Formats: sequence, structure tokens, C-alpha cells
Amino acid sequence: AAGVIQSPRHLIKEKRETATLKCYPIPRHDTVYWYQQGPGQDPQFLISFYEKMQSDKGSIPDRFSAQQFSDYHSELNMSSLELGDSALYFCASSPRTGNTGELFFGEGSRLTVL
Amino acid sequence: GENVEQHPSTLSVQEGDSAVIKCTYSDSASNYFPWYKQELGKGPQLIIDIRSNVGEKKDQRIAVTLNKTAKHFSLHITETQPEDSAVYFCAAIDTGNQFYFGTGTSLTVIP
Repeated sequence: AAGVIQSPRHLIKEKRETATLKCYPIPRHDTVYWYQQGPGQDPQFLISFYEKMQSDKGSIPDRFSAQQFSDYHSELNMSSLELGDSALYFCASSPRTGNTGELFFGEGSRLTVL
Repeated sequence: GENVEQHPSTLSVQEGDSAVIKCTYSDSASNYFPWYKQELGKGPQLIIDIRSNVGEKKDQRIAVTLNKTAKHFSLHITETQPEDSAVYFCAAIDTGNQFYFGTGTSLTVIP
């Protein structure tokens, strides 16, 4: 079965640079979530989209922005990168329609800021 | 908002023994409680879930119990195997469809 696809899997950037992460949800899933996970931490919710509109906002820094496109894929844009932004970034998708509540995660994108 | 607490943070068991991980939640309106297994460098994978209208659910060696009155739920793994070693996260979903994760339990199964 198709899963959530994230790219790139690994990304290395310098401080103050910009990074873009992409997420392709499971087909027919209309809701996308972004999470940030630091070493030894639980996933921290950043932002979510439902039907291409932002639905919830968590602890996302102002330097970050995200959007969901007409094909339901989503991109997380991170600017003015800081050392503390180094983390695993997970995208998850859910079939909000029907409200099953199940959340399916991608394999993550590991961002390293030097 | 919801507050999910998870214990223990680390757990070591001998192969073949059982492992139990417990979580409590604060929002009595939460109605969906999934458990995720995360292996090193990978994304969390849903292994079992339970909804507020049932008290127990079992899938082979894995079971989850829910006590709505006490607002706690537990993951039970029987006959543990080395491949069960991973970090396990509980979560609760509130009425706004927002997920709240526990802080994770690092399970080590000793062969």
C-alpha cells in the first residue's frame, strides 16, 4: 500500500540558509500534519492543513511557513535556519473525511544545520 | 488542551517476558488513543489503537486497555521479542482532531 512520501530524506544546511521539505500524503488523504522531533523527544506538532487550508497551528516558528497544494502535497519552508532547527521533520496524513482519527507518518526528513 | 503523560521512559525486559507501558490523559472528551512504534531513524508506525467506546483491544501479542473513568490507557506486549525493541509513543486525540503525544518509552528486549 502507498505510504506517506517525504523528500529529501536528509538535508544539510548552513546557519541562516533556507530549506524546503516536501510531503506527499497517502492517496485520498485530505489532511496533512507536520511534526518536528528533536533527539530523544516526542514529535512536536507544527502545523496542519485540511483541504489546502491551514487547519491548526502548533509550535511553528515565524521563520517557518507551509502550504498544501491542489494535489494535496505539502511543503514546509524554513528560513534563517538556526542550529536548533536540526531535527527530524515528519509529515503525517489522515483521511479527515470520515474522521477516523488515524494518522500515518512518513519516514521523515533529517535536517542538520551546521 | 490535552496533556498526555507516559511511563516509564525506559523499560528493559527479558525476551519472552511481558512489557506494559502506561499513559494518562487530562481531557475527558478525548476519544481516540493510538499507540505508535518508532524504530531508530524511522517514522512512528501505528501498531494498535482504541476508541473510547471500548475497554480493550487485542491484536496477536499486543493489547491496549482503556479506563475512561480514570483517564488512563495501557499498552501490553506479551512474549516480547528482540524486534519489539523501539520507542513507543501513546497519543490522545481531542475533539478538535488534534494529536497529543506522550513523551515516549524506550523498550529494550534482552535476548
